Amino acid sequence: AQSVTQLGSHVSVSEGALVLLRCNYSSSVPPYLFWYVQYPNQGLQLLLKYTSAATLVKGINGFEAEFKKSETSFHLTKPSAHMSDAAEYFCAVSGPGGNTGFQKLVFGTGTRLLVSP
Amino acid sequence: GAVVSQHPSWVICKSGTSVKIECRSLDFQATTMFWYRQFPKQSLMLMATSNEGSKATYEQGVEKDKFLINHASLTLSTLTVTSAHPEDSSFYICSARGPLPNTEAFFGQGTRLTVV
Repeated sequence: AQSVTQLGSHVSVSEGALVLLRCNYSSSVPPYLFWYVQYPNQGLQLLLKYTSAATLVKGINGFEAEFKKSETSFHLTKPSAHMSDAAEYFCAVSGPGGNTGFQKLVFGTGTRLLVSP
Repeated sequence: GAVVSQHPSWVICKSGTSVKIECRSLDFQATTMFWYRQFPKQSLMLMATSNEGSKATYEQGVEKDKFLINHASLTLSTLTVTSAHPEDSSFYICSARGPLPNTEAFFGQGTRLTVV
């Protein structure tokens, strides 16, 4: 079984400040981990993903995340927040790719990022 | 990335009627499609998974007779909400994945269903 916990339903930062969104996972198999962003009334856009290669993953829009197995974490960071970063962010976990069958994503409850001027 | 198109983006229907939502992969073959439901300010809840040409696998608690899923081709899956009621009002999102070991699922833009 797999699960994801996102700490903090809301995170508020000032424009230009560091963004840190927390994600901890639980998985009985080597996990694949994802961060998605959702703007109001829209689908999800992939920010970045970890698929057992480099533990520090760089994504779009200046975001990055580091896979830490010892901490079972995959926190999302961005050095300097921009107003356009205000959105809902979801962390997700799935099993590894392979020929064992289709893999489904398990999502966290989401974190709303608020950016103030 | 690949494009998944979901249609319609919003729909209003009367209670008791059925509504069909389409999910199309425009530039890749979607061997697996997923349907999610999202309540306001909550996460995505997986409703069902379908492989092309096979019956969908529904998650526990999801009524298969109410939420009919068809995945008859490698580029199209449909979700039909039958005999819709106001409690079915929600945001429905599909995602599509190509053949394994492709690990990325691409999401449609979602459909806002309002049942009145």
